[in-house]
Amino acid sequence: GDSVTQMEGPVTLSEEAFLTINCTYTATGYPSLFWYVQYPGEGLQLLLKATKADDKGSNKGFEATYRKETTSFHLEKGSVQVSDSAVYFCALALISSGSARQLTFGSGTQLTVLP
Amino acid sequence: DVKVTQSSRYLVKRTGEKVFLECVQDMDHENMFWYRQDPGLGLRLIYFSYDVKMKEKGDIPEGYSVSREKKERFSLILESASTNQTSMYLCVSGGPPATEAFFGQGTRLTVV
Repeated sequence: GDSVTQMEGPVTLSEEAFLTINCTYTATGYPSLFWYVQYPGEGLQLLLKATKADDKGSNKGFEATYRKETTSFHLEKGSVQVSDSAVYFCALALISSGSARQLTFGSGTQLTVLP
Repeated sequence: DVKVTQSSRYLVKRTGEKVFLECVQDMDHENMFWYRQDPGLGLRLIYFSYDVKMKEKGDIPEGYSVSREKKERFSLILESASTNQTSMYLCVSGGPPATEAFFGQGTRLTVV
């Protein structure tokens, strides 16, 4: 079945460090790919997305490129801030069962940024 | 803004009780999902629905059922609550095609 594998955490970085959180997927067909973020005490919210190969999603300084050849969607940020401390989830969406859009999530990566 | 509203933020129930978790969305989305979130396990899909009165099992449907009588409302039912169902439950709403999903705030259920 479809699956998402992301880098296990926790990840601890100093402020202004470079961030990479790896995400790879297995899917039949051509999924859309997402990164969601969950800040402490809050619900999940969309960070960025890409709907086809070679698309780059970006938001708040974060970027991820849809790589079909490596089935990957790694999250990167050039200079992290303390306010980026959160749990990050990689996810994919496929059309299945007619119009249904089934979301599959990775297990989440806890990021802590120290001042 | 899209709103996905879950009826309770925190809930404490006794073992064996029948538990209803309600979710309402205001954007006329076709697709709605129920997930549970557990530390180290991420989000696991319990059930989803792509239309009124339609439902499909996700990865962990055992011990749960759902109801979708109206398009805006998707209910998760724990037929006989057990302690291993203590978890954070997340309702998600989204419309086809591949647009992003919108999350409710979650219901933290404790079964004692």
